[in-house]
Amino acid sequence: ETGVTQTPRHLVMGMTNKKSLKCEQHLGHNAMYWYKQSAKKPLELMFVYSLEERVENNSVPSRFSPECPNSSHLFLHLHTLQPEDSALYLCASSQEGLGGGNEKLFFGSGTQLSVL
Amino acid sequence: KNQVEQSPQSLIILEGKNCTLQCNYTVSPFSNLRWYKQDTGRGPVSLTIMTFSENTKSNGRYTATLDADTKQSSLHITASQLSDSASYICVVRVVRWGKLQFGAGTQVVVTP
Repeated sequence: ETGVTQTPRHLVMGMTNKKSLKCEQHLGHNAMYWYKQSAKKPLELMFVYSLEERVENNSVPSRFSPECPNSSHLFLHLHTLQPEDSALYLCASSQEGLGGGNEKLFFGSGTQLSVL
Repeated sequence: KNQVEQSPQSLIILEGKNCTLQCNYTVSPFSNLRWYKQDTGRGPVSLTIMTFSENTKSNGRYTATLDADTKQSSLHITASQLSDSASYICVVRVVRWGKLQFGAGTQVVVTP
């Protein structure tokens, strides 16, 4: 295991639902990330938190709302999603933020989201 | 157009054989290039990280090479095993923004 745990592993939701994805890291890292992975496409960075402050927001629609209550936990709140939002959502952590050079990213197993 | 292009898109090889995956990038300047392995239903796991001054780096049966002049990298898998079946992702770190640019991955299937 990588030390990054994501729940749930699978999620099916309607376009009017509200749900949340959870990520927890047990590595003592200071930075956490949300990535979106669509089939046969490169990973897309959504949000970056460093020391619990959001330092990156990659023009993500407001129907995705991140929350980082402490350096070990990261949430992604979802509401009124669209079918094109169906994808694998990956959480990752690193010792420092992406400005740190050769820092290694540790990924969770992801939440496979299907929006009907 | 993606700044990190990987080829082939998918690959089927027999167990025990070798294979080489390619990564071409246009990102410049870059500080390091990474290869990740992503098993089905899992997140990516780091295999190698190479700075622009390194030409090769190994991790067990995986050997990555880098030619910063031609902006090409390759990942060589030696004596493939069934457990090597996965997607292999090339990632380039952009110096200016400190961001990671991901390739779409090469899907490798190792058959008995």
